[in-house]
Amino acid sequence: DTAVSQTPKYLVTQMGNDKSIKCEQNLGHDTMYWYKQDSKKFLKIMFSYNNKELIINETVPNRFSPKSPDKAHLNLHINSLELGDSAVYFCASSQGMKTQYFGPGTRLLVL
Amino acid sequence: AQSVTQPDIHITVSEGASLELRCNYSYGATPYLFWYVQSPGQGLQLLLKYFSGDTLVQGIKGFEAEFKRSQSSFNLRKPSVHWSDAAEYFCAVGGGSSGTYKYIFGTGTRLKVLA
Repeated sequence: DTAVSQTPKYLVTQMGNDKSIKCEQNLGHDTMYWYKQDSKKFLKIMFSYNNKELIINETVPNRFSPKSPDKAHLNLHINSLELGDSAVYFCASSQGMKTQYFGPGTRLLVL
Repeated sequence: AQSVTQPDIHITVSEGASLELRCNYSYGATPYLFWYVQSPGQGLQLLLKYFSGDTLVQGIKGFEAEFKRSQSSFNLRKPSVHWSDAAEYFCAVGGGSSGTYKYIFGTGTRLKVLA
């Protein structure tokens, strides 16, 4: 059983399009996160949700909008995609202030 | 502000040699400390973590790390490296109050293993 899963695994799209990435965790955790990993492998947190409530929003452009329909799901919608959005996006989850478990990543390429 | 420094961007070792990856952190209180490994095209896998207690922690795949408060360090070690250990290694510090807890990651160290 996959603990943290993401779909899709790969996403290739044109500039200006809108796309969504989905994340699900079956660990029963109460906190979920989105991270962006750039081409230099630098990992930066974008958002975190605790019990469906947005907790952290790290100066991410408004084009990025997370949504958490329930504790087990955290989706990321991106409007008007730009070339600079090309990256690997990781979802993670944790139970409170403990270890984060990461999904396999979604590789987004904007052409 | 919290920060994590991994001074070595690349490290190359021969298979069977020992390994030490450096990690220094800046944090006001005792942080939660982690090491993750990322193989090419893969997600991040937890190697080990330190929350409190014994400052020498054992992890998976034969890795260990030692928390040294006086040096603000949490270096990762392995006595004998295997070719399959070639990957990117990330140190992370976690902290914050309840509900605002987050990780800060270092920039990573890429490990190359020579046969």
